[in-house]
Amino acid sequence: ETGVTQTPRHLVMGMTNKKSLKCEQHLGHNAMYWYKQSAKKPLELMFVYSLEERVENNSVPSRFSPECPNSSHLFLHLHTLQPEDSALYLCASSQGLGRNEQFFGPGTRLTVL
Amino acid sequence: DQQVKQNSPSLSVQEGRISILNCDYTNSMFDYFLWYKKYPAEGPTFLISISSIKDKNEDGRFTVFLNKSAKHLSLHIVPSQPGDSAVYFCAASDPGTASKLTFGTGTRLQVTL
Repeated sequence: ETGVTQTPRHLVMGMTNKKSLKCEQHLGHNAMYWYKQSAKKPLELMFVYSLEERVENNSVPSRFSPECPNSSHLFLHLHTLQPEDSALYLCASSQGLGRNEQFFGPGTRLTVL
Repeated sequence: DQQVKQNSPSLSVQEGRISILNCDYTNSMFDYFLWYKKYPAEGPTFLISISSIKDKNEDGRFTVFLNKSAKHLSLHIVPSQPGDSAVYFCAASDPGTASKLTFGTGTRLQVTL
């Protein structure tokens, strides 16, 4: 595997379900990000982790819970989501914060019924 | 309120001609701008960037122009090739939160034969 991978690529869940999105980066980076892209809206930054510590929480509802167990893996735990949470969730990584290029994964297309 | 705007959702250009993609921003604190390209079912990939101390940056067929007084930047692709067909996102950051990219909604470029 190379670059940034995300699983699953597609997910359909009910509002009462609990699921997790997984991201893995194979680039040796130490910063990871979760973005959300809703239909016809710009990518919105959700969370930023640097050296496994959360450094940014962009006013995201608590039904989204990130976890970064090590610098290569990032999870987004989902519970009691709403239909308006249906979106493309993108993971990215970079070598350090600041102006360093962010490398994106292909995303998980989430549908909440 | 969107701080980065891409007012043209789509653009069609003939192969060999110039493609010009536009982006406007409202936040005068932004001092670093990037363009990302996204193919279907893939994550965005970094294309080119420009710092506010410059007004032009060139990389092969891609040139980004920055007009700070107008809060406007543009991406020129010359000559356009069919493989350039993708969605192009403009993004910006400010010095205080350099790792936080603010994205536009994207412009879909179609290069026709």
